[in-house]
Amino acid sequence: EAGVTQFPSHSVIEKGQTVTLRCDPISGHDNLYWYRRVMGKEIKFLLHFVKESKQDESGMPNNRFLAERTGGTYSTLKVQPAELEDSGVYFCASTIGTSGYNEQFFGPGTRLTVL
Amino acid sequence: KQEVTQIPAALSVPEGENLVLNCSFTDSAIYNLQWFRQDPGKGLTSLLLIQSSQREQTSGRLNASLDKSSGRSTLYIAASQPGDSATYLCAAFTGNQFYFGTGTSLTVIP
Repeated sequence: EAGVTQFPSHSVIEKGQTVTLRCDPISGHDNLYWYRRVMGKEIKFLLHFVKESKQDESGMPNNRFLAERTGGTYSTLKVQPAELEDSGVYFCASTIGTSGYNEQFFGPGTRLTVL
Repeated sequence: KQEVTQIPAALSVPEGENLVLNCSFTDSAIYNLQWFRQDPGKGLTSLLLIQSSQREQTSGRLNASLDKSSGRSTLYIAASQPGDSATYLCAAFTGNQFYFGTGTSLTVIP
């Protein structure tokens, strides 16, 4: 069974540009999470989807970030316009079911560099 | 707000040694605690998941314990090997999100 996949693996953009990150969860996993790790800091929660609905987006830093999960399958995270402080590694994770007791499976991450 | 701390930040041990990594969290109202391994440039690999009702979980040479009342978890690695070199992260799940520690960077010297 394929794990969580993320695309691209790396992205280098200039300040002010737009970038879209994609996450494909494990098939059948209703719950999808986005996290981010900026340099030297811990991994922090961004938002949580249950199927196509945003369950919790309290971790989204500002309105330059837009996440979608149309159809409840893959998700995209768009940053527009990107700022220098958006640089970091963006992780996606998925878990089956709606309980909080299930293991989360993480993707390899997208390393975003904003110049 | 939940805060997760991992000590030490870095650890270097000779091959074959047993070691313990520590994780503490401030809010005991967690659903579970998960230990991950991260290799340089790679994603997170789940090692062990301990439910809030459990005290420990074992997988091979790894044993993780959980003491909710004291807000602590430990990851015990037996007979360490160079291939165990990586960053180890613990994360406390509160029901809607994980709170991560900053990790312990482990180096096992052959």
